[in-house]
Order: sequence, then C-alpha cells, then structure tokens
Amino acid sequence: AQKVTQAQTEISVVEKEDVTLDCVYETRDTTYYLFWYKQPPSGELVFLIRRNSFDEQNEISGRYSWNFQKSTSSFNFTITASQVVDSAVYFCALRMDSSYKLIFGSGTRLLVRP
Amino acid sequence: EAQVTQNPRYLITVTGKKLTVTCSQNMNHEYMSWYRQDPGLGLRQIYYSMNVEVTDKGDVPEGYKVSRKEKRNFPLILESPSPNQTSLYFCASSLRRNNEQFFGPGTRLTVL
Repeated sequence: AQKVTQAQTEISVVEKEDVTLDCVYETRDTTYYLFWYKQPPSGELVFLIRRNSFDEQNEISGRYSWNFQKSTSSFNFTITASQVVDSAVYFCALRMDSSYKLIFGSGTRLLVRP
Repeated sequence: EAQVTQNPRYLITVTGKKLTVTCSQNMNHEYMSWYRQDPGLGLRQIYYSMNVEVTDKGDVPEGYKVSRKEKRNFPLILESPSPNQTSLYFCASSLRRNNEQFFGPGTRLTVL
C-alpha cells in the first residue's frame, strides 16, 4: 500500500526557534518522487521541493532544509530560525513511478508566534 | 504569467443542481488533476488526465465527472451534487506526471 503519514497535526513554536516537520511514507516501488507543499492562510498551495528516490542528498534552501532517509522511509523538513511568515499548513506527498496518482499526507499546521 | 485558473472561486448550491467548475492552465502542461481538501484528510485526488482525451480515476471519484477535450482545460462536473461534496477543490497541472504540480487558487463549494 502507498501511504504518507504526517503524525504531527499541529506544531506551535516561538519565532526564531528551529522546527522539524516529519513525513513518513510507504511504497513498494523502488522509483518514486517526494514533494513538500506549503499552504499559507491565504489558501493557495505552493511547491517547495521535489526529490526522487535515487537522490538521497540533503537539500538546503535558505532557512529550509530537507532530510531524505530511505532507510527509515522519511523525508523530514526543517525550518531554521522560524518566522511568523512560516505559519502555514505543510503537506508531504508521494508519487510512485508506476502510478499517475499523487498521494498527500494529512498535513501539519505550523504556528509561529512572535 | 504562467498560472492555473479556476472558476468560480466560491459557490453555494443546492442538492441535485448540476454544476461545473472550470480549470485552465496556460503552460502547455500534459498532466492535470483535481483534488478535494477536507479537514484532517489532506488533499485527495478525484480524477487526473495524462493528456487530451485521456483521463482516469483518483482515490475519490464517486459523484464526479471530468473531460479533457483541449490540453489547457480540465473541467470538473458534479451531475447531482450532495452535501458530502461540500469541500475545497483544487485543480493542478504539471509538465509531466513526475514534475511538480502547480495549483489553482481553489474553489470553495457548499452544497445545501
């Protein structure tokens, strides 16, 4: 079965704290793609990153970083020195190479307090 | 400007009254998809289209229809809406299926 689990429903931090959003996935495919999207309070969905299963290098983009570990089937997202503008719902998603479907996790709501 | 547009953005209707939500993209993308977003469930795929005249069911297709007569358009049709279809709907497109998807602004539908 293919599945994405975001166990953290809501996280609340104070500005400038670091925060990690967890994403655990299940798939039998050896080739697959993982994504993170951000949904700010305005409601649109914003693409953050795509990672394929053959690329386990961690990625850093400014204050954002992603840790992909096939051994634990996880693709975690860390925000360093969080800001109020990071407050949003974050979704992790999975697509198997054998499928046209994109499977989303249930999302993690991040609240960054000033 | 490259974008995915949806109309209407908000719609309140009554049970059984057929409606169509339009979706259009100007990026010449092959792949298009419809999702519904419900609290605690994330986004669930309704239908997707790999190219013109090629569509298939996602995880929650019951009560919905789609068509893809032109590459840029992918309308979502509710022939007989019911209250359990009250939701936030998103259309998305990508160049090909494994590329990142670009999402429309969403359509909030209420069925009374």
